[in-house]
Amino acid sequence: DAGITQSPRYKITETGRQVTLMCHQTWSHSYMFWYRQDLGHGLRLIYYSAAADITDKGEVPDGYVVSRSKTENFPLTLESATRSQTSVYFCASSETQVPYGYTFGSGTRLTVV
Amino acid sequence: AQSVTQLDSQVPVFEEAPVELRCNYSSSVSVYLFWYVQYPNQGLQLLLKYLSGSTLVKGINGFEAEFNKSQTSFHLRKPSVHISDTAEYFCAVSDQLTGGGNKLTFGTGTQLKVEL
Repeated sequence: DAGITQSPRYKITETGRQVTLMCHQTWSHSYMFWYRQDLGHGLRLIYYSAAADITDKGEVPDGYVVSRSKTENFPLTLESATRSQTSVYFCASSETQVPYGYTFGSGTRLTVV
Repeated sequence: AQSVTQLDSQVPVFEEAPVELRCNYSSSVSVYLFWYVQYPNQGLQLLLKYLSGSTLVKGINGFEAEFNKSQTSFHLRKPSVHISDTAEYFCAVSDQLTGGGNKLTFGTGTQLKVEL
């Protein structure tokens, strides 16, 4: 189906473990984004990508790594998970240059214990 | 960088009453403004957007917003709410990325709770 899909939907992991959150879009949008949503903070940008092999930091990149070898995929990796990374993570995509707004995935709820 | 302020973290309202959710942004230069809605355990869905032109923007589900450049505001309104409008609402402003394109900066959200 066309759209933007995130997996897993829910994840529980232990402190110190590496975990990867997946994001896949079918529109061939150039821009993709990772946000985290926390109470009282709204959504904060972690990383974004302007095209395959082009990524850059957002507001809160520490502890996260991204890659984008293919236009349609934009995985987010927590190298060594910490409790402060417990959050809901949203992936989004948009067309290049034109501010139509984003299309969001359904989110991944990550709990670090 | 742009910033967005949503002063009301929660807004309770009775069904069929009107509602206004307030949003102020930081810059008076040309901006693009958005309202998103998030229903429980779901992603964000675009309600409406202001890019240019008429300052009154109509969106889905009977919502509308008015762009006020002098007040740097983009308040969201609905004349008569329904129980199904209970959700969290986020205001967002576009901001330029260094490499071109744009990113969205979001407010902290307003929880709209519609009561019978």
